[in-house]
Amino acid sequence: NAGVTQTPKFQVLKTGQSMTLQCAQDMNHNSMYWYRQDPGMGLRLIYYSASEGTTDKGEVPNGYNVSRLNKREFSLRLESAAPSQTSVYFCASCRDRGNEQFFGPGTRLTVL
Amino acid sequence: LAKTTQPISMDSYEGQEVNITCSHNNIATNDYITWYQQFPSQGPRFIIQGYKTKVTNEVASLFIPADRKSSTLSLPRVSLSDTAVYYCLVGEGSGAGSYQLTFGKGTKLSVIP
Repeated sequence: NAGVTQTPKFQVLKTGQSMTLQCAQDMNHNSMYWYRQDPGMGLRLIYYSASEGTTDKGEVPNGYNVSRLNKREFSLRLESAAPSQTSVYFCASCRDRGNEQFFGPGTRLTVL
Repeated sequence: LAKTTQPISMDSYEGQEVNITCSHNNIATNDYITWYQQFPSQGPRFIIQGYKTKVTNEVASLFIPADRKSSTLSLPRVSLSDTAVYYCLVGEGSGAGSYQLTFGKGTKLSVIP
């Protein structure tokens, strides 16, 4: 089991560029999440997907879109990157709401 | 979502027991208390979850008083490898409720040789 995998590990973008962060889990989990973590801060929820085919906004959704491609994959898209989106992005999954969340290794994104 | 308050940082010597207390005055009836651990440059990792009284697993114990307005994570005999940030979260757990977890700033534990 690879658990939760994320690609890429690092990315540098210029302001206005777009990109998609990929996340996949092989644990047959129903729920998946995207968080961002700014330096010295806790994690903030961007979007989540309770089950395949559904997505909902979290605490900080502005500037992001998501796609739950299938049960395994949940992608996060930045349509027009801004320096304020410089952060580490973590994907997580869990069997069902309220259960233990398993986190990926993170994507470190810098927007210049 | 219930708000939690925990110390920003703590220091401990190797081999000591460490207790990190979290305050959650507006915890709801259906809320569970969950603790995660995060090492630098890694995603958080689940440590323990509980609803009331005491829960123990192979790495930690969680003590929850009767009023459930606070909880204490206890790490027995810490080692240098326990240096990390510890997050206390409150939400409906065990398959019962909220999809959203709120991570505060956590407690940065530094273990000293």
